[in-house]
Amino acid sequence: SYELTQPSSVSVSPGQTARITCSGDVLAKKYARWFQQKPGQAPVLVIYKDSERPSGIPERFSGSSSGTTVTLTISGAQVEDEADYYCYSAADNNLKVFGGGTKLTVL
Amino acid sequence: QVQLVQSGSELKKPGASVKVSCKASGYTFTSYAMNWVRQAPGQGLEWMGWINTNTGNPTYAQGFTGRFVFSLDTSVSTAYLQISSLKAEDTAVYYCARDGYNFWGQGTLVTVSS
Repeated sequence: SYELTQPSSVSVSPGQTARITCSGDVLAKKYARWFQQKPGQAPVLVIYKDSERPSGIPERFSGSSSGTTVTLTISGAQVEDEADYYCYSAADNNLKVFGGGTKLTVL
Repeated sequence: QVQLVQSGSELKKPGASVKVSCKASGYTFTSYAMNWVRQAPGQGLEWMGWINTNTGNPTYAQGFTGRFVFSLDTSVSTAYLQISSLKAEDTAVYYCARDGYNFWGQGTLVTVSS
């Protein structure tokens, strides 16, 4: 299927580890990306190829993959990490799909 | 530096058309495909499709066929999204994003209201 499923919300205290999962059949065959989006702003790429971090993204952001699930981990989450997070992957036939998004609350 | 600059907000009546532009600079325009992404108010990101900037060949996601058209003017390094027969449910922010998704436009708010 072309669907990617994320939890609608995750909540952690500052300094704790936040984990956001994304599940979908395509993830067994295709790489995932993760985007961070703060209110009123364009999305920002934080992870690509399941676990690669673009330059300028803090080391506390990491990604992993297992079977049909990918996970974004924010180690030592900070208040400024509060945002919506979206996974994304390529399906077949050159089509792509975003997950439904996860609202991360850090307080 | 790479920049994608989109056209400004639009207010349109139902049934009208709108054309959103995305002007690229700081790189060779035809070296990267361009994606289009929609975000309705309070909702998530939806991938609308992409256009091959070498061939001009577009690919549309399900739900974005018929009224949505991607086009290019490579002479001015600009990609376009045209939406015809606008409906209230087309109200959204529309983003262009260079393939690889390291670079995004600032978004264009299209409001459809009578």
